[in-house]
Amino acid sequence: AQRVTQPEKLLSVFKGAPVELKCNYSYSGSPELFWYVQYSRQRLQLLLRHISRESIKGFTADLNKGETSFHLKKPFAQEEDSAMYYCALTGYSGGYQKVTFGTGTKLQVIP
Amino acid sequence: DTAVSQTPKYLVTQMGNDKSIKCEQNLGHDTMYWYKQDSKKFLKIMFSYNNKELIINETVPNRFSPKSPDKAHLNLHINSLELGDSAVYFCASSQLAGVGKTQYFGPGTRLLVL
Repeated sequence: AQRVTQPEKLLSVFKGAPVELKCNYSYSGSPELFWYVQYSRQRLQLLLRHISRESIKGFTADLNKGETSFHLKKPFAQEEDSAMYYCALTGYSGGYQKVTFGTGTKLQVIP
Repeated sequence: DTAVSQTPKYLVTQMGNDKSIKCEQNLGHDTMYWYKQDSKKFLKIMFSYNNKELIINETVPNRFSPKSPDKAHLNLHINSLELGDSAVYFCASSQLAGVGKTQYFGPGTRLLVL
């Protein structure tokens, strides 16, 4: 079984402070991990994926297989970063891909 | 052009009614999904279809019946609506093969059951 855990429901930080949104996963194979973001009353959209090793809007995330984590980080939070963030894992079940989302973390950046 | 679209955007209805939500994607993807996002923002997969075939059916009441007339469409029909069905329903699509397997989401349908 695959599982994604986001331990924080709400994370409040001041503008300019560093941000770290935690994500831990459980999966027996090689996972594909993603971060999705949902701005207020908008659709979910991909923020970044581990396979691309990219930085989007100043966010980065490194897959740590030893700790089974994929934490999302940004050195200096901006007000426009306030949103819901979901960590997601794509694994395989019965020959088909299965996507599991974490419960989400609401990031609130205080001006 | 909108990649994944859903209709209607808002749906307000009475308990016991039957309603449908439509989803269409123009990305040429072979896999489509329905998710339910509740009032606490928890996002839970309901169904997944690959090439019009059901491949994932999570623990969802059988009042919910997905239908995929073709690869580009996945509709959700809900019978005998209950108060607890009130939520935002998101459709999504992805390409099964290939690297990344990013999900592309529709704008959501806000369902309110009175």
